[in-house]
This record gives sequence, C-alpha cells and structure tokens, in this order.
Amino acid sequence: DAGVTQSPTHLIKTRGQQVTLRCSPKSGHDTVSWYQQALGQGPQFIFQYYEEEERQRGNFPDRFSGHQFPNYSSELNVNALLLGDSALYLCASSDGSGNTIYFGEGSWLTVV
Amino acid sequence: AQRVTQPEKLLSVFKGAPVELKCNYSYSGSPELFWYVQYSRQRLQLLLRHISRESIKGFTADLNKGETSFHLKKPFAQEEDSAMYYCALKPGGYNKLIFGAGTRLAVHP
Repeated sequence: DAGVTQSPTHLIKTRGQQVTLRCSPKSGHDTVSWYQQALGQGPQFIFQYYEEEERQRGNFPDRFSGHQFPNYSSELNVNALLLGDSALYLCASSDGSGNTIYFGEGSWLTVV
Repeated sequence: AQRVTQPEKLLSVFKGAPVELKCNYSYSGSPELFWYVQYSRQRLQLLLRHISRESIKGFTADLNKGETSFHLKKPFAQEEDSAMYYCALKPGGYNKLIFGAGTRLAVHP
C-alpha cells in the first residue's frame, strides 16, 4: 500500500493563476481532507470530502474549492492565486471513524 | 475557541537527557488529542493518541484536563528523536485536526 499519494510534489505559479493539486487516499479510506501548511506553522484544515461532497470547511475563502471522485481520490483547486497562498498543501485520508488520519508528503506551491 | 498552543519553537537537548514538549489546548468539550511527528524529508505521521495510553519509541503523553495540557515526554532522548513535533486536537464529532505550530526537537550527541 503506497499510502496517501499527492501530485505534483512541487510547482511554481504566477499571481492570479489557478492551480489544481491531486490526492489519492490510502487503500480502504473514503474520507479525504486538505490542509495548508505555511512556513513555520502547523497544518490548517481547509476542507474535507466524503461521498463526493464537501462535509466540513475551515476558514478559507471560496477561491479554495475541491472535488472528490467515485474512486475517493480528490482534487484541490485554488483560483486567483495570491502570494500568501505559497505553502505546503497536505492531503490526509481516513476511514469513516477517523480514528487514524494518514498524511501524504504534500505539494509545495510557490506563487511568484 | 478551539486552539492548540505549543509554546516552544525549538527544544535543544543532549543525548540521554529527559525531554518534555509542551502542548496546551483550548476546547470546551471532550477532545481527542494526538502527537504527530515529522522526521527530516518524511511525511507527517502519528506518534501517539491519548485514548490509547501507549508508549511509542519511549514517548508518553498524559492528558491533563484540569490544566488542559497534553505534554509529550521521554526520559532519555536519542539523536534519532530529532524531528518536528506537532500536537493536534480532534474536536468531538468532527473528523479533522487542529494543529499547534510545532516544536523542533534537536538532540545533540
């Protein structure tokens, strides 16, 4: 089991552009969450998907949106990128109980 | 407000010394608390959860509801313990984590 996998690992975008990050959950997991980790800070919860619907959302603007596919994989989309969106974006997966939450290695986004 | 505070950005100790990484939380209900660790160039991984009351790699953590703390302790630090440590809270009824800012533990030979 490869665990939680994310792509791409690194990318650079220009202010105002849009970005899509991808995540495949750990085998057997149906719940995917996304976190933003700015430099020097802990991860911050963006939102969570279950049964292809957004179930919970943190304090992030509507520029951040997502999607979950029938195979439980997920995408995070960020529109109108700002310099402050530069961060490590982590995907986490869990089963319905949420007893153990597994993280991917993350996607490093740099906005210039 | 739901918040996790890790007051130390960096904790530097010598090998064999005791370690205590502090974590305080703010939550009105009954929280689940976790410690996650991130070794260099590796992903964030679960170290401990308070409901398990287990010892992993010599680390233990006790939930103190009176002091709203969940400090991580190890009696004798090893060089391989050097990593970033994050304390996290899972609010009741929610499948998400609220993280502290993290503490970097550096264990010197």
